[in-house]
Amino acid sequence: AQSVAQPEDQVNVAEGNPLTVKCTYSVSGNPYLFWYVQYPNRGLQFLLKYITGDNLVKGSYGFEAEFNKSQTSFHLKKPSALVSDSALYFCAVRFSGGYNKLIFGAGTRLAVHP
Amino acid sequence: DTAVSQTPKYLVTQMGNDKSIKCEQNLGHDTMYWYKQDSKKFLKIMFSYNNKELIINETVPNRFSPKSPDKAHLNLHINSLELGDSAVYFCATRARQGMNTEAFFGQGTRLTVV
Repeated sequence: AQSVAQPEDQVNVAEGNPLTVKCTYSVSGNPYLFWYVQYPNRGLQFLLKYITGDNLVKGSYGFEAEFNKSQTSFHLKKPSALVSDSALYFCAVRFSGGYNKLIFGAGTRLAVHP
Repeated sequence: DTAVSQTPKYLVTQMGNDKSIKCEQNLGHDTMYWYKQDSKKFLKIMFSYNNKELIINETVPNRFSPKSPDKAHLNLHINSLELGDSAVYFCATRARQGMNTEAFFGQGTRLTVV
């Protein structure tokens, strides 16, 4: 079955430190991977995506993510966290044969402390 | 201008009532979706329309009926509301049905059934 896993419910990091939010996937065929962020009482905002090409993709607000095919992972990273990065982060995957629907992980809450 | 707008933002209603949530997009996108986010923040696709045609209909009770009067609108009508329908419902759009385009989300409609 096609799935996305975000193994951490919450990630805590101090402001200024690097952050990583983990995501692994299981799909048949080539995956198309996305990260979204949800601020309180808001809709999801697109951060970045991996389609093909360079394994390191850069996105909005200084975030980047690394696609690792052998580990079936697409971890979200940022070199220096801001308090304003505190939000709920969703990893999502689209795969061929699934009518192009987006499957979301359960979400990881990122808390950045001053 | 809000790209994807949903009305109402909040909806409190009694069990057994029938209610509708409206979604409008001004992006000119071909594909529109309804997602449900439960109390644990888990996101699940409900329906997808492409050019007013129903493409995806997940395992959703038939009390839920989407309607797309034109490409810019996708409304969600819910009959005989139940307590378990309480959730946040998100409308989303995408430029085309291919694999590599990201989705744009509305701000959500928080439905509370009492």
